Amino acid sequence: KAGVTQTPRYLIKTRGQQVTLSCSPISGHRSVSWYQQTPGQGLQFLFEYFSETQRNKGNFPGRFSGRQFSNSRSEMNVSTLELGDSALYLCASSLDILAGGYNEQFFGPGTRLTVL
Amino acid sequence: ELKVEQNPLFLSMQEGKNYTIYCNYSTTSDRLYWYRQDPGKSLESLFVLLSNGAVKQEGRLMASLDTKARLSTLHITAAVHDLSATYFCAVVIIQGAQKLVFGQGTRLTINP
Repeated sequence: KAGVTQTPRYLIKTRGQQVTLSCSPISGHRSVSWYQQTPGQGLQFLFEYFSETQRNKGNFPGRFSGRQFSNSRSEMNVSTLELGDSALYLCASSLDILAGGYNEQFFGPGTRLTVL
Repeated sequence: ELKVEQNPLFLSMQEGKNYTIYCNYSTTSDRLYWYRQDPGKSLESLFVLLSNGAVKQEGRLMASLDTKARLSTLHITAAVHDLSATYFCAVVIIQGAQKLVFGQGTRLTINP
């Protein structure tokens, strides 16, 4: 079974630009979560999507947005990039078969974004 | 707001020694993960602890969970160089949908 895939793996942008990152979950998984990892702030939750709906959002500015498609693939977008947005962005998918229950998340390889 | 604190944050040890990483969290949760991350890589799931008193072991690593004390431990026995990595604990929060709140990570270096 293929794992979570993320594209692109590496990205270099300049301040003010915008960027779109893509995540394809494990087949059959309907929940996709995004996390940002930086040396200073560690791993932080960005948002979670299920059935094309955002169910949970972390404490990030509105420049960070996302969406999920009917095939469960998800994209996140960062507009007006800042130097501090340089990070590893990780996507995780889970089955989410039980509302309010435990569903292990499986992480993709991540997209390394560098903002110059 | 849930806080998850790991200690130590940095650990350098000799091969063959034993050590324990601690993970404290501030709010009730009975589900906790341990992950390993190698430099430049993603997160690899090590253990999922689902209930109070849960103990899981894989090779030289053993994890336990005490939900009453809000404490999890990751014990390393007879460390080997291949275990050098950063280890994260993450607590599950369920608010409509689950999310993980991570500790700061413990960078473990094992010297031959």
